[in-house]
Amino acid sequence: DAGITQSPRHKVTETGTPVTLRCHQTENHRYMYWYRQDPGHGLRLIHYSYGVKDTDKGEVSDGYSVSRSKTEDFLLTLESATSSQTSVYFCAISSTGNTEAFFGQGTRLTVV
Amino acid sequence: DQQVKQNSPSLSVQEGRISILNCDYTNSMFDYFLWYKKYPAEGPTFLISISSIKDKNEDGRFTVFLNKSAKHLSLHIVPSQPGDSAVYFCAANSYGGATNKLIFGTGTLLAVQP
Repeated sequence: DAGITQSPRHKVTETGTPVTLRCHQTENHRYMYWYRQDPGHGLRLIHYSYGVKDTDKGEVSDGYSVSRSKTEDFLLTLESATSSQTSVYFCAISSTGNTEAFFGQGTRLTVV
Repeated sequence: DQQVKQNSPSLSVQEGRISILNCDYTNSMFDYFLWYKKYPAEGPTFLISISSIKDKNEDGRFTVFLNKSAKHLSLHIVPSQPGDSAVYFCAANSYGGATNKLIFGTGTLLAVQP
């Protein structure tokens, strides 16, 4: 397995609270991505990073922010969690951005 | 606006037969395509890829075909095995520039019947 760790693996939180998900890699890959997986929607890109402090929006970025202060860590923050953000979140890494990406095990987030 | 589309949510195939999974894309800037396989409660795993300079790429039982004029790619699995039962996602990317987005389709659930 590629060295990707997502934490936490499971989380239940209340509507309106902030939540931060962490993705940690040991591969020194330049590109890091956050996706959410929902039935009928597949994997949708939330935000991605192409270097330290370099990030950009994906398809479904509203309500989410990211930060990347070190190569190995990419944080996803839900500023004020809503029930529509209940999902499984996956982090992925890629060395060049135009080759295969490797995925973490996912974080199941439930907003009640 | 779905740039990568998998119009078949599910597919059922008998063991030993061929499985064909299809994917269409709309963005002509895409020039690198990938297939991923996903089991429940696991992250997606990379299966096979193809560059737009090719129209076919093989890896063991898996072959990906690309038809650029139709903006269509397909994954063939021959022979299909029960362990191939999973959700398959196609993905697309574009070379160049400082940024690269990997865009996925909605997935196709493949069930291989023993």
